[in-house]
Amino acid sequence: DAKTTQPTSMDCAEGRAANLPCNHSTISGNEYVYWYRQIHSQGPQYIIHGLKNNETNEMASLIITEDRKSSTLILPHATLRDTAVYYCIVSPLYGGSQGNLIFGKGTKLSVKP
Amino acid sequence: DTAVSQTPKYLVTQMGNDKSIKCEQNLGHDTMYWYKQDSKKFLKIMFSYNNKELIINETVPNRFSPKSPDKAHLNLHINSLELGDSAVYFCASSQTSGPQHFGDGTRLSIL
Repeated sequence: DAKTTQPTSMDCAEGRAANLPCNHSTISGNEYVYWYRQIHSQGPQYIIHGLKNNETNEMASLIITEDRKSSTLILPHATLRDTAVYYCIVSPLYGGSQGNLIFGKGTKLSVKP
Repeated sequence: DTAVSQTPKYLVTQMGNDKSIKCEQNLGHDTMYWYKQDSKKFLKIMFSYNNKELIINETVPNRFSPKSPDKAHLNLHINSLELGDSAVYFCASSQTSGPQHFGDGTRLSIL
């Protein structure tokens, strides 16, 4: 079972920041927080990951609380193409030796014009 | 220059048949995976494989078998197809310590 809790759906206005929350209160010390997204009819796409420090790349920013029990994925300027299901996953580094990412239900983000 | 490619994209077949789905990656990755996404959109790992080790999700029926002719390919063979096998199957690859890259899926429909 997934070890994360995410809202089922969210809306965001085009051009505004999209803030997607994730709760992972049972996260272990060696587990990372990963974010993937799945655009309709496509395979999942890696976005970003982090352990305890905030991370930023060309796609998004990841803010992890100090106690590591929750995190927020930020898409700074959402576009219509960002409409997708966003998955928050906790796992040892890239799924550990088994590469086993456990996907939950995710958050369906709808970016509206 | 597709990174992870799967064929066919759509597969419609009858119950009881045997079918294969092919997957190729041109990223030079050393690990490949198969996932199943059911009608409720849950995405579950089926296999992970590198040149040293095959890890099988214990819930996967033995009618499913991965076959890797080389590091760039991991094909999925399914024997005696059942109605419950209808789903979207995703192949993925990664370097041992890197993020997973997914193909666009094979939509399998069993009649």
